[in-house]
Amino acid sequence: SQKIEQNSEALNIQEGKTATLTCNYTNYSPAYLQWYRQDPGRGPVFLLLIRENEKEKRKERLKVTFDTTLKQSLFHITASQPADSATYLCALDTSGGYNKLIFGAGTRLAVHP
Amino acid sequence: NAGVTQTPKFRVLKTGQSMTLLCAQDMNHEYMYWYRQDPGMGLRLIHYSVGEGTTAKGEVPDGYNVSRLKKQNFLLGLESAAPSQTSVYFCASSSTGTTEAFFGQGTRLTVV
Repeated sequence: SQKIEQNSEALNIQEGKTATLTCNYTNYSPAYLQWYRQDPGRGPVFLLLIRENEKEKRKERLKVTFDTTLKQSLFHITASQPADSATYLCALDTSGGYNKLIFGAGTRLAVHP
Repeated sequence: NAGVTQTPKFRVLKTGQSMTLLCAQDMNHEYMYWYRQDPGMGLRLIHYSVGEGTTAKGEVPDGYNVSRLKKQNFLLGLESAAPSQTSVYFCASSSTGTTEAFFGQGTRLTVV
């Protein structure tokens, strides 16, 4: 079965530093991978989508890489701020075009002033 | 635009009771989804729809039914609630099958 692993431990970093979150997957070759942010008591909010033929994608302070050989995606937040504190979810489409997403359990990021 | 709206936000059911969760989207999206989220686990897909009048099973469909009579609405039904269905339920929609999903604010359901 499909398996997505994200850092289970919370990630604590100092304001201004770069946060790096990891998403590893097995048993599938997804056409694309998505990252979402989730705040307590709220629904996930889309951040970035990266396709299998893209090595890297950027949006403002966010950067995502996608290594289909390693079956891994890295999510970076540069110049982190306390407002970036949230849980970040990695998701893969397993259906080849129906957006049937499988989510990792998420990594909780805490940015300290 | 409201985006994706879920009703109700909270609900407590007794075992064996039934209920319907409503999801409405105003983005004219074709695809709609119902997920559940449990502590320490990723969101899991219950059912989904790729257009008005169509529904299909996801990863954990047992104990749930859905209907998509109108393009903007996707209903999730629990015919006979069980404590194992205590969870937070999220509805989502997307314009196509390969673009980002927009999520509602969630429904916290407790079955006692």
